[in-house]
Amino acid sequence: AQKITQTQPGMFVQEKEAVTLDCTYDTSDQSYGLFWYKQPSSGEMIFLIYQGSYDEQNATEGRYSLNFQKARKSANLVISASQLGDSAMYFCAMRPVWDNQGGKLIFGQGTELSVKP
Amino acid sequence: DVKVTQSSRYLVKRTGEKVFLECVQDMDHENMFWYRQDPGLGLRLIYFSYDVKMKEKGDIPEGYSVSREKKERFSLILESASTNQTSMYLCATWSGGPYNEQFFGPGTRLTVL
Repeated sequence: AQKITQTQPGMFVQEKEAVTLDCTYDTSDQSYGLFWYKQPSSGEMIFLIYQGSYDEQNATEGRYSLNFQKARKSANLVISASQLGDSAMYFCAMRPVWDNQGGKLIFGQGTELSVKP
Repeated sequence: DVKVTQSSRYLVKRTGEKVFLECVQDMDHENMFWYRQDPGLGLRLIYFSYDVKMKEKGDIPEGYSVSREKKERFSLILESASTNQTSMYLCATWSGGPYNEQFFGPGTRLTVL
């Protein structure tokens, strides 16, 4: 069965410092995509970054980067230079490339990040 | 920009009531999803639809049904609301293509008393 695990229910980081949010996954598929979403207190899910299983380079989007270690089945999100507006819930998600579930995403439990001034 | 809207941000209903949650998207996406979000459990898929009038059960369909009469509109129905259906409900759309993200609506926080 496919599964995403986020072991950090909550984390604190000082403003302007970098923070790593952990994500491990379990799948027998060879082709899959990994996604990170941010959910502020307003509730809307905001897409941050994507990594394909065959991508050789780690994905980056501005202050977000994904530390992808395929052999370890981990896809950790790194946020550099944290800002107060980064305080939110963060979800890691996975989608097998070839699935029969209409493209559904499998989500982890989420990590609540709090940025301290 | 994809815009996904949900009919209510907050909703309070009584046990046994029939509840309709509506989701509308304006980007002509084929695929639409309803998720439920609970603390410590992340998001779980209730139902999805890949075409008009087509629907498939997700991981937790019990107590729910859906309707998709038009491409842009996907409704989640709680036939007889129960207190254990108190939750955050999120609608999402997807254009297809394995590398594309899903776009989410703002969510509906439903309380069943």
